[in-house]
Amino acid sequence: QVQLQESGPGLVKPSQTLSLTCAVSGGFIHNDDYYWSWIRQPPGKDLEWIGYIFYSGATHYNPSLQSRITISVDTSKNHFSLKLNSVTAADTAVYYCARTRSGAHYFDYWGQGTLVTVSS
Amino acid sequence: QSALTQPASVSGSPGQSITISCTGTSSDVGGYNYVSWYQQHPGKAPKLMIYGVRNRPSGVSNRFSGSKSGNTASLTISGLQAEDEADYYCSSYTSTSTHVLFGGGTKLTVL
Repeated sequence: QVQLQESGPGLVKPSQTLSLTCAVSGGFIHNDDYYWSWIRQPPGKDLEWIGYIFYSGATHYNPSLQSRITISVDTSKNHFSLKLNSVTAADTAVYYCARTRSGAHYFDYWGQGTLVTVSS
Repeated sequence: QSALTQPASVSGSPGQSITISCTGTSSDVGGYNYVSWYQQHPGKAPKLMIYGVRNRPSGVSNRFSGSKSGNTASLTISGLQAEDEADYYCSSYTSTSTHVLFGGGTKLTVL
């Protein structure tokens, strides 16, 4: 059973960088069948896809966030990471990591989510 | 405003059937069979219920079914149970640079 677990600071100051890591267990990130995604959900609002990464390091980002985000992968540690810079209160959200079926574009395993609040 | 349009809420009594719609365009829902549906209980992560328009992952009840007609996909839940009360989100691949879209979510109330 694949499990994903997000970790990182729960509070980030405005204009700083949000950094999260997703640890994958029960399966390997180095897998041709899957991408690894970040998705967020502001309190009481809709889900928003942030971007994904393939084990090779190839990425695809949501254009609305592309200028501020970096997703990276470390196959030796079986985890992937998100950095979102120049954050504002609008970036306050629950951040999820999820496994994404390559070529089929669905998210079959999700982490439990971590709330990141942007506030001074 | 979300890219995929869902009704804000639907309701039904135990044992009844309900359908949740998800309307997009020919660039997403109508153009590809990459529609998926997710169930989210309060404070929990979303759970995949349907993928590829109509396929159920292992372990998901056959009371859940998916379909598509034109630019609108639908999730039908038959034999409603109290545990089905949750928010439901659709998602679709899109040929635009956004790549992945979600609907605005539908709150299902079991009366």
